[in-house]
Amino acid sequence: GAVVSQHPSRVICKSGTSVKIECRSLDFQATTMFWYRQFPKQSLMLMATSNEGSKATYEQGVEKDKFLINHASLTLSTLTVTSAHPEDSSFYICSAISSGEPYEQYFGPGTRLTVT
Amino acid sequence: GQNIDQPTEMTATEGAIVQINCTYQTSGFNGLFWYQQHAGEAPTFLSYNVLDGLEEKGRFSSFLSRSKGYSYLLLKELQMKDSASYLCAVVDSNYQLIWGAGTKLIIKP
Repeated sequence: GAVVSQHPSRVICKSGTSVKIECRSLDFQATTMFWYRQFPKQSLMLMATSNEGSKATYEQGVEKDKFLINHASLTLSTLTVTSAHPEDSSFYICSAISSGEPYEQYFGPGTRLTVT
Repeated sequence: GQNIDQPTEMTATEGAIVQINCTYQTSGFNGLFWYQQHAGEAPTFLSYNVLDGLEEKGRFSSFLSRSKGYSYLLLKELQMKDSASYLCAVVDSNYQLIWGAGTKLIIKP
């Protein structure tokens, strides 16, 4: 079946630094990828919708200058958390929708970010 | 390898009860989530089980048996708005989420 990978799976960084998270669709092309954030025992919070070749669409309350999204190809989207702070510590999950039938949404395994 | 199995699609009648099963084989276990997702929307958290047993929350209940690698989501008094996909996800030993493919639940009047 379709697979979505994320790298790194876990990252610890110091406050003030930037971290890049990659999301790849391994065996299908994804015109659209989503980035979510999850706090413990809470719903996934949609952060932004990433469309290949165009600017990402951010949800209300998500700072686009802090969470930079680039969807440069049909198999790769990146999320860069800039000037990270401890409150950015969370689980970041991406998902991808295949560009051809069936139009299924596949979730990545997530990246656990800890900012110290 | 790691694997989560849940039925692709289920159909039930409004007002009835439906049970959606999820079986898993993962490297370690640190909890199991159930999510509801309506088309075009982000998944909504329904439940989190880490200990064996049944947890009830309104019309929805979730059951876990760690020894059997099995969970189910029970929906009672089905309403048309319950038509959605239901996702099972297991947290493995590395705290990574292993996702099931989701079960599309169709509710008929």
